[in-house]
Amino acid sequence: GQNIDQPTEMTATEGAIVQINCTYQTSGFNGLFWYQQHAGEAPTFLSYNVLDGLEEKGRFSSFLSRSKGYSYLLLKELQMKDSASYLCAVRGNTDKLIFGTGTRLQVFP
Amino acid sequence: DAGVIQSPRHEVTEMGQEVTLRCKPISGHDYLFWYRQTMMRGLELLIYFNNNVPIDDSGMPEDRFSAKMPNASFSTLKIQPSEPRDSAVYFCASIYAGQGSYNEQFFGPGTRLTVL
Repeated sequence: GQNIDQPTEMTATEGAIVQINCTYQTSGFNGLFWYQQHAGEAPTFLSYNVLDGLEEKGRFSSFLSRSKGYSYLLLKELQMKDSASYLCAVRGNTDKLIFGTGTRLQVFP
Repeated sequence: DAGVIQSPRHEVTEMGQEVTLRCKPISGHDYLFWYRQTMMRGLELLIYFNNNVPIDDSGMPEDRFSAKMPNASFSTLKIQPSEPRDSAVYFCASIYAGQGSYNEQFFGPGTRLTVL
């Protein structure tokens, strides 16, 4: 079967660093995506990994290890506006994405 | 670009009524996806189209749900008859799958459906 696992909730302090993990088991692999979703809004694209390694984009970085079926999203210099849900999604052998249930991150002052 | 457009943004209806959700994808995008999101089940793919043709509808819960894409700029998701368990936020997303694209999905603002 296909499965995406990520923690349900995390908390962190403004200015800190937080790492959100995602493990996956899918039929085939053609890329891993991270999306950010603020409460009551639509998901928005954050990052894409298809090769092993780290992709950095400003305060956000995403890492992938295909052999381990593992990814993480790293958020640096946390701001209050980073409080949101973070969705891990994998594209397998087809054009569709399989989404995890999301990690709700709360940033406290 | 206006992005993906969905209507209505909110819909409250009574059990047994027909509900039609509408989506206009981003111009030039060749894939369209319909999702349902609930607290319990997260974001679930219902159906997706490529060049207006349904490719995979394995996520459609049952025969009460149907989706169409009569042209490249419009799609509908219909629930008939609606039931309280259909209450959720329904998202439409589109992508351009051309060369060099991440195939990043662009989501519409969603339709919050409440079935009483």
